Amino acid sequence: SQQGEEDPQALSIQEGENATMNCSYKTSINNLQWYRQNSGRGLVHLILIRSNEREKHSGRLRVTLDTSKKSSSLLITASRAADTASYFCATDAATGGFKTIFGAGTRLFVKA
Amino acid sequence: GAGVSQSPRYKVAKRGQDVALRCDPISGHVSLFWYQQALGQGPEFLTYFQNEAQLDKSGLPSDRFFAERPEGSVSTLKIQRTQQEDSAVYLCASSRRETGELFFGEGSRLTVL
Repeated sequence: SQQGEEDPQALSIQEGENATMNCSYKTSINNLQWYRQNSGRGLVHLILIRSNEREKHSGRLRVTLDTSKKSSSLLITASRAADTASYFCATDAATGGFKTIFGAGTRLFVKA
Repeated sequence: GAGVSQSPRYKVAKRGQDVALRCDPISGHVSLFWYQQALGQGPEFLTYFQNEAQLDKSGLPSDRFFAERPEGSVSTLKIQRTQQEDSAVYLCASSRRETGELFFGEGSRLTVL
């Protein structure tokens, strides 16, 4: 089963535009992470936000976390064609074991 | 090596055959995870090791799936009597600690005919 659900499932934008992806989850968490996956490759870690943090930045990435709504968003600013990939949120539950659970992902396509 | 290494990258098996997939984590990483990823889906958790101890195997879909990490380093995921529904990419990830950033291998793509 997958804890997180990303929204939208797919997103197509022009180069230079911003891309926003959302993630909702079900149980209390210790932290939430975002990963990127290029087609046919492994996942690459982008950013981790802890449950007591509300916002975090890394380069062109901005992540927010709202634990009261059990949701997070990933904003990619000034997108580039090279940002084309699938993006997944992943959560480490506060209880119930050591799993890091991934959502179904958002497929982002950035048109040059 | 510098990253997580998985082998084979591609495996074609006839239905009913046994397969073994290998994962070489980053040296010194305590945690090791196996995930199954179907086409167009997110990774589904299979099992978790902390050193040599398998602390969570709740995601293994059936008793045909077995994983081990006998010396707390290299791990093997074995699938017995493969079925067509086992066709997927099997991803291995390791981490320095129990939680936090995961480092993924490129995956082993299994196709069962």
